[in-house]
Amino acid sequence: EVQLVASGGGLVQPGGSLRLSCAASGFTFSDHYMDWVRQTPGKGLEWVGRSRRKVNSYTTEYAASVKGRFSISRDELRNSVFLQMNSLKTEDTAVYYCTRDDSSGYPDFWGQGTLVTVSS
Amino acid sequence: DIQMTQSPSTLSASVGDRVTITCRASQSISSWLAWYQREPGKAPKVLIYKASSLGSGVPSRFSGSGSGTEFTLTISSLQPGDSAEYFCQQYSDYPLTFGGGTKVEIK
Repeated sequence: EVQLVASGGGLVQPGGSLRLSCAASGFTFSDHYMDWVRQTPGKGLEWVGRSRRKVNSYTTEYAASVKGRFSISRDELRNSVFLQMNSLKTEDTAVYYCTRDDSSGYPDFWGQGTLVTVSS
Repeated sequence: DIQMTQSPSTLSASVGDRVTITCRASQSISSWLAWYQREPGKAPKVLIYKASSLGSGVPSRFSGSGSGTEFTLTISSLQPGDSAEYFCQQYSDYPLTFGGGTKVEIK
């Protein structure tokens, strides 16, 4: 059974940092792209970024709104993908989901999400 | 960025009704479109991928159609458990983008 368990959310002040984790199980982690997607009340769903699969050297893509502030990495041994968020802004407040992607590039499985609140 | 315009934003229908949701892309995305369902308190679940392919385990009352810039999700006979939010997503180009969502309520 495919499982994605996101963690690490919480309350952080503007300008601060937070690292989200997503533990994956039930599939071959290195064979899949993995995305982070966020849901904000005002802007709906927003794709945050992607880690490609191992054969693509785990290269990454980012949304313009987070490029240079957020970074995605993986740990094969722990079957986990991470979202390092720096220089956080109030508009980064959202529920963050990690997703597993099908080989054609759409998220075919979503985890439950973790809430990040950026506020002073 | 490719803009995805979804309509309606909410709809209310009765059990057994045929329901149609539309998604329009600001430029051609071929058939690189997925539809998702999110029930309250649950993670989103893929219903349709590549515009018209049914996701694993998804009931056959759900169907998708379209290509290029115009797409539809149809529920042929609305069931009580279909009360949820539905949204489309294009995966033709970066950044991946989503429609604004449609809340489906059962009368």
